[in-house]
Amino acid sequence: NAGVTQTPKFQVLKTGQSMTLQCAQDMNHNSMYWYRQDPGMGLRLIYYSASEGTTDKGEVPNGYNVSRLNKREFSLRLESAAPSQTSVYFCASSEVQGYNSPLHFGNGTRLTVT
Amino acid sequence: GDSVTQMEGPVTLSEEAFLTINCTYTATGYPSLFWYVQYPGEGLQLLLKATKADDKGSNKGFEATYRKETTSFHLEKGSVQVSDSAVYFCALSGYKAAGNKLTFGGGTRVLVKP
Repeated sequence: NAGVTQTPKFQVLKTGQSMTLQCAQDMNHNSMYWYRQDPGMGLRLIYYSASEGTTDKGEVPNGYNVSRLNKREFSLRLESAAPSQTSVYFCASSEVQGYNSPLHFGNGTRLTVT
Repeated sequence: GDSVTQMEGPVTLSEEAFLTINCTYTATGYPSLFWYVQYPGEGLQLLLKATKADDKGSNKGFEATYRKETTSFHLEKGSVQVSDSAVYFCALSGYKAAGNKLTFGGGTRVLVKP
């Protein structure tokens, strides 16, 4: 009963390095999302994929790229990490894209950029 | 734009005390409202939701009523347990929100002491 699985759980990068955060869901959900969580700011949407084959920018997309590899997997890439990208990253999925469809979250990736 | 304001924490309570976390929102139209809970080291989980005015969402002894006249969705529980210690997020999803975008409040940390 895995739900949404994110890897890695923790990562430390130096400024300018790149990395990809992986996310997979086993609930046959159509829509997937990447959020970042910063203290006192709640969660902010980075990118989302309403369905396989589509991706769109969210609230804070600068410095990130995404790939919807298939229905199950949605990855987030940092091409050149910056200290401002130090955050906890959450992947989420929902059955459909719709304002009544609740999100299911992974356990997060804690990223530190030095 | 849409926004959610919730009381800052931490809120420290004794076991069996009454819990209230205030949440107010700004949105156009008729958003859906949610409470999510985040236990230590985990992702967010949907706690309850309400999709129209005067709806009451409830789950695990928690309740919240969608009050359109006061644009509020306060979370309450009559008798908290140590296991309720977590961070609670109020969120809304507007009818026209792109990508099922949830707008989150900043979160309220609740600590229940035995």
